[in-house]
Amino acid sequence: GEDVEQSLFLSVREGDSSVINCTYTDSSSTYLYWYKQEPGAGLQLLTYIFSNMDMKQDQRLTVLLNKKDKHLSLRIADTQTGDSAIYFCAETVAYSSASKIIFGSGTRLSIRP
Amino acid sequence: EAGVTQSPTHLIKTRGQQATLRCSPISGHTSVYWYQQALGLGLQFLLWYDEGEERNRGNFPPRFSGRQFPNYSSELNVNALELEDSALYLCASRPGTGENQPQHFGDGTRLSIL
Repeated sequence: GEDVEQSLFLSVREGDSSVINCTYTDSSSTYLYWYKQEPGAGLQLLTYIFSNMDMKQDQRLTVLLNKKDKHLSLRIADTQTGDSAIYFCAETVAYSSASKIIFGSGTRLSIRP
Repeated sequence: EAGVTQSPTHLIKTRGQQATLRCSPISGHTSVYWYQQALGLGLQFLLWYDEGEERNRGNFPPRFSGRQFPNYSSELNVNALELEDSALYLCASRPGTGENQPQHFGDGTRLSIL
């Protein structure tokens, strides 16, 4: 079935790297996304990766994709207090001649001093 | 370019009442999605509209309904409100249904049931 799994919580020290992991089920997914949700707000698209890529880097963000294991990760370098949020992983799946996006349950990232 | 806008920002109702939530997608986006996010939990998919038609529906009772208008804006209606309907309701839009098109979210309507 369609399922995207993430761990619920992650706590890191300010200045360290954060690594948020995600596993997905549809091996034919072409695009995978990371969204960030700050308190009281909607989801903001952070970055995405196309399935023919292994890695994508965008400033402090690095996305790694292991298609064989259907594993996606988001690494945030030099984690800051402003990075405290819930991070959602999402995959595209085929649906009735179109595609739909399936979201994970979100990982709550907290930063400790 | 204006993002996805939702109204109202907050809505307070009592049990048994009806609530209407509104969403305006990004200009040019034809697909609209609705999600329920209860406190501290993940997104629960509610409804998906594309080109005025309902494309898919999540596992919610029939008292959750909606529609999409010719200008692609959308309404979510919740009848016979129950306490557990208290949540943040998020709307997202998408340019179409192609694989390379992410969803863009509004900031949500917080519905509180007293």
